Amino acid sequence: KAGVTQTPRYLIKTRGQQVTLSCSPISGHRSVSWYQQTPGQGLQFLFEYFSETQRNKGNFPGRFSGRQFSNSRSEMNVSTLELGDSALYLCASSRGLAGSDTQYFGPGTRLTVL
Amino acid sequence: GENVEQHPSTLSVQEGDSAVIKCTYSDSASNYFPWYKQELGKGPQLIIDIRSNVGEKKDQRIAVTLNKTAKHFSLHITETQPEDSAVYFCAAIKGLLNSASGGSNYKLTFGKGTLLTVNP
Repeated sequence: KAGVTQTPRYLIKTRGQQVTLSCSPISGHRSVSWYQQTPGQGLQFLFEYFSETQRNKGNFPGRFSGRQFSNSRSEMNVSTLELGDSALYLCASSRGLAGSDTQYFGPGTRLTVL
Repeated sequence: GENVEQHPSTLSVQEGDSAVIKCTYSDSASNYFPWYKQELGKGPQLIIDIRSNVGEKKDQRIAVTLNKTAKHFSLHITETQPEDSAVYFCAAIKGLLNSASGGSNYKLTFGKGTLLTVNP
């Protein structure tokens, strides 16, 4: 069974630009959660999508948004990039909602904002 | 909100020794505590978890203990091997699954991680 895949693996952008990251969950998983990982703040929860609806949200500004498609694939968008957005963005999928089911993480997308 | 403190931030042990990583949490409503292992260039992988109605759980060389009164939980790795070298994260989750509406209201907070190095 294929694991969680994320594309692209690496991305370099400049301040003010926007970026879209993609996550394909494990087959049969309906939940996709997104996390930001930085050396200073560690792992922080962004949001979770289940059956194309956002079900839970962390404490990030509205510049961070996401969506989920009918095949459970998810995209995350960050608009008006700031230097502090440089991070490893991880997605995780689970069969049920993340609060009640085991999550499996992808390898992440390393975003660098210059 | 929930605050999860993880110690130590780095840990170096000799192969064959035991390693212990501790986490404390602030919200007594937290009821699920997973541990993740993250190797270089990879995403975190769940290695063991424990729920608040259990005091200890063991899986081969890995065990987790939970003290609800003191609000802390620990990861124990025995007979460490070089391949155990990685960053380990604890997490605390408090959740209310509202199955009637199909929604959920839970909070997931991670510790800052422990870099474990096992020296051959």
